[in-house]
Amino acid sequence: AIRMTQSPSSLSASTGDRVTITCRASQGISSYLAWYQQKPGKAPKLLIYAASTLQSGVPSRFSGSGSGTDFTLTISCLQSEDFATYYCQQYYSYLLTFGGGTKVEIK
Amino acid sequence: QVQLQESGPGLVKPSQTLSLTCTVSGGSISSGSYYWSWIRQPAGKGLEWIGRIYTSGSTNYNPSLKSRVTISVDTSKNQFSLKLSSVTAADTAVYYCARAPGAWYYVDYWGQGTLVTVSS
Repeated sequence: AIRMTQSPSSLSASTGDRVTITCRASQGISSYLAWYQQKPGKAPKLLIYAASTLQSGVPSRFSGSGSGTDFTLTISCLQSEDFATYYCQQYYSYLLTFGGGTKVEIK
Repeated sequence: QVQLQESGPGLVKPSQTLSLTCTVSGGSISSGSYYWSWIRQPAGKGLEWIGRIYTSGSTNYNPSLKSRVTISVDTSKNQFSLKLSSVTAADTAVYYCARAPGAWYYVDYWGQGTLVTVSS
């Protein structure tokens, strides 16, 4: 299975901050990478797919980049509703695998 | 807009079989090239893909669970189902049903999730 490693596992930030989360795949996955946001008690929500394509309805302050093994999710200006846990996921293999998650907390 | 809803017992005894159903509304489960998955999340932990089914009935399973998992589809009811046998406390989790737009695609729609506890 392709292992997805996210860092950091958690971070504290303030509203208005720029936040960057990284995700590394154990082997090359081209751009078959998605990012999800999950709030407590809710299902994950798709933010970005194909490493950098914003899902319809997702604010433009979210952006993704990378290809191969290294990827980033950036929130350009953190809003109160962005405090959540973020997961990366590869779909290069039929055996979908997720990163361990990054919890974004209020500083 | 497609919606997915999980249903099934919230409590299962150890060694028994966990059975869940996902009802799809807002579109036909047979239309398009969609793959229908089950994903689980133990409390406070990350996401684990269990397996998926195509409307033709072809399936793929996570090798770590393959010996215990069966996913099936009932197109007449617009539903797909999960059976996980010989459960232990380690199978306690929120179980999500989900949709992917194709074989090598991300998950674009999720159910709300249902908590299944394995306990005697």
